Amino acid sequence: QQPVQSPQAVILREGEDAVINCSSSKALYSVHWYRQKHGEAPVFLMILLKGGEQKGHEKISASFNEKKQQSSLYLTASQLSYSGTYFCGTEIQGAQKLVFGQGTRLTINP
Amino acid sequence: DTGVSQDPRHKITKRGQNVTFRCDPISEHNRLYWYRQTLGQGPEFLTYFQNEAQLEKSRLLSDRFSAERPKGSFSTLEIQRTEQGDSAMYLCASSLGNRINEQFFGPGTRLTVL
Repeated sequence: QQPVQSPQAVILREGEDAVINCSSSKALYSVHWYRQKHGEAPVFLMILLKGGEQKGHEKISASFNEKKQQSSLYLTASQLSYSGTYFCGTEIQGAQKLVFGQGTRLTINP
Repeated sequence: DTGVSQDPRHKITKRGQNVTFRCDPISEHNRLYWYRQTLGQGPEFLTYFQNEAQLEKSRLLSDRFSAERPKGSFSTLEIQRTEQGDSAMYLCASSLGNRINEQFFGPGTRLTVL
């Protein structure tokens, strides 16, 4: 039931782009994205709802393919502050809880 | 500070002892979640409250775990007869609304069971 994230880790130089994917074997109602820096709590980035509605930050974009039960997070022109571990949390229709993936560790080097 | 707070931040206990953690959510938030996170993994859902009602509890949670949210404000998570496998970071999050919305996480309580 846990969604699968890919890649598990990625290393970029500042200014490069990154795509993080999240796939589920279940029919999803929404996908939530969080970023967690080392030693800190997860911080909300975005919610993607079935039907296309999105709520989140202006500088980060994401997509939700309802047919494939997949979501992708797009980080463009990466900044040093983007470093951290990104988690997707998936919501199944009728389930009032998120199931988080194992995370994708993003490292941005100057 | 108007964010989510948790107490204590660190707890070291011996196997077999009982421990209790406290979470104070953002004051107007009606939903409160408890998660457990181990190294290299995402947060694992434990339970959640809508106001004072506990509406769901993970099937993975043994009877040694119990949570309360009296009066719909702060919440406590108790683990009885701790085991070494209980060692983890316990995170609390709160949100507003009647569905899963943006969750605000607290700093967590790191539990070490010796």
